Amino acid sequence: QLRLVQSGPEVKKPGTSVKVSCKTSGFTFSNSAVQWVRQTRGQRLEWLGWIVVGSGKITYAQKFQGRVNITRDMSTSTAYMELSSLRSEDTAVYFCAAFLGSTGAHWGQGTQVTVSS
Amino acid sequence: DIVMTQSPDSLAVSLGERATIKCKSSQSVLYSSNNKNYLAWYQQKPGQSPKLLIYWASTRESGVPDRFSGSGSGTDFTLTISSLQAEDVAVYYCHQYHTTPLTFGGGTKVEIK
Repeated sequence: QLRLVQSGPEVKKPGTSVKVSCKTSGFTFSNSAVQWVRQTRGQRLEWLGWIVVGSGKITYAQKFQGRVNITRDMSTSTAYMELSSLRSEDTAVYFCAAFLGSTGAHWGQGTQVTVSS
Repeated sequence: DIVMTQSPDSLAVSLGERATIKCKSSQSVLYSSNNKNYLAWYQQKPGQSPKLLIYWASTRESGVPDRFSGSGSGTDFTLTISSLQAEDVAVYYCHQYHTTPLTFGGGTKVEIK
């Protein structure tokens, strides 16, 4: 059974960083691509970037370039997203979602990140 | 960036009636090497993560009821719910995964009339 299980909610101060994990199971991690998407209260979905797991190739959205870092650990089939220099506008639910080939993405449960002083 | 424009923003449909959602991309999402449209549809219920319904514009994900169908090619796509059920109340998103940055439509909220 395909599963993506994300780490728990985070409350962070402005200017700090947050790291969200996404542990996968039920599919061949090395044959996937994992994207990170956030959703604000307005419900719009915003793409942060993705990693092609097998090659390690990473693409970031220009808006987040320099502030986001996506990595993966092949030994535990886990992907990570770290966002730095947090501000209040980064308050959102962060999702990981895995593409298995080109057949659309399967999503984790989401991680609430709240940035507040 | 490829801009995805969904319409309408919301619609109310009677139980058993048809619901139709449109999605237009600013550039073609047809991948010429395999003639597949890299366009997916997701359903998101309150408090849940998006669920994959349709990929390649018209292929239904395993386990998705056949009242959901997708059509279109190139830049114009449609998601149809042929006979709306109470459990279909949700927000629906189109998503292009042809070109980075990957982008999403703004969502269509479907409610019962």
